[in-house]
Amino acid sequence: AQTVTQSQPEMSVQEAETVTLSCTYDTSESDYYLFWYKQPPSRQMILVIRQEAYKQQNATENRFSVNFQKAAKSFSLKISDSQLGDAAMYFCAYRSPYTGANSKLTFGKGITLSVRP
Amino acid sequence: EAQVTQNPRYLITVTGKKLTVTCSQNMNHEYMSWYRQDPGLGLRQIYYSMNVEVTDKGDVPEGYKVSRKEKRNFPLILESPSPNQTSLYFCASSSRTAYNSPLHFGNGTRLTVT
Repeated sequence: AQTVTQSQPEMSVQEAETVTLSCTYDTSESDYYLFWYKQPPSRQMILVIRQEAYKQQNATENRFSVNFQKAAKSFSLKISDSQLGDAAMYFCAYRSPYTGANSKLTFGKGITLSVRP
Repeated sequence: EAQVTQNPRYLITVTGKKLTVTCSQNMNHEYMSWYRQDPGLGLRQIYYSMNVEVTDKGDVPEGYKVSRKEKRNFPLILESPSPNQTSLYFCASSSRTAYNSPLHFGNGTRLTVT
């Protein structure tokens, strides 16, 4: 079974600075999908970015980018020019294409990001 | 607007009193699922459904039931809630035809069982 590890429970960043959130995963599969979700205090789960394992190029969405290291099974999220609205809990998640009918996401424990004004 | 709607947002109940959390999506998604979120554990899957009348257990199904009589609705039923089911619950849906499509989540239901 796959596991996702987010070892840092909390991080803090100064507004306008850059922060990197770490995520590692364990799998024996060669093809899979990785996601970062943001959960603000409103509790809503918001997709931030996704990465397909067979794509070498790191995904980017505006101020958000990933550093995907397939051999190291690492999938970190970089937030540039941090804003107060980035304060939230962030979850890393894994999806296997081999689970048949179940499009299950396996989540890490999450990391709480605070942004200092 | 494409969305997954859960109700209620907050629910406080007592041990043993049956309750239902409703979930509805308007995106014509085949796949729907329930997760619970607990501090330090992330989100864990309770049940999922591939289509109408097709449901199966996730990782933590004990104490829960689901049904899928219509494509848009996927209620979560707790027939005899216990305090260890106090949690934040999320319903989610996605298109089955593209497994790289993201899950769309509802806004969550905070359940407290006393």
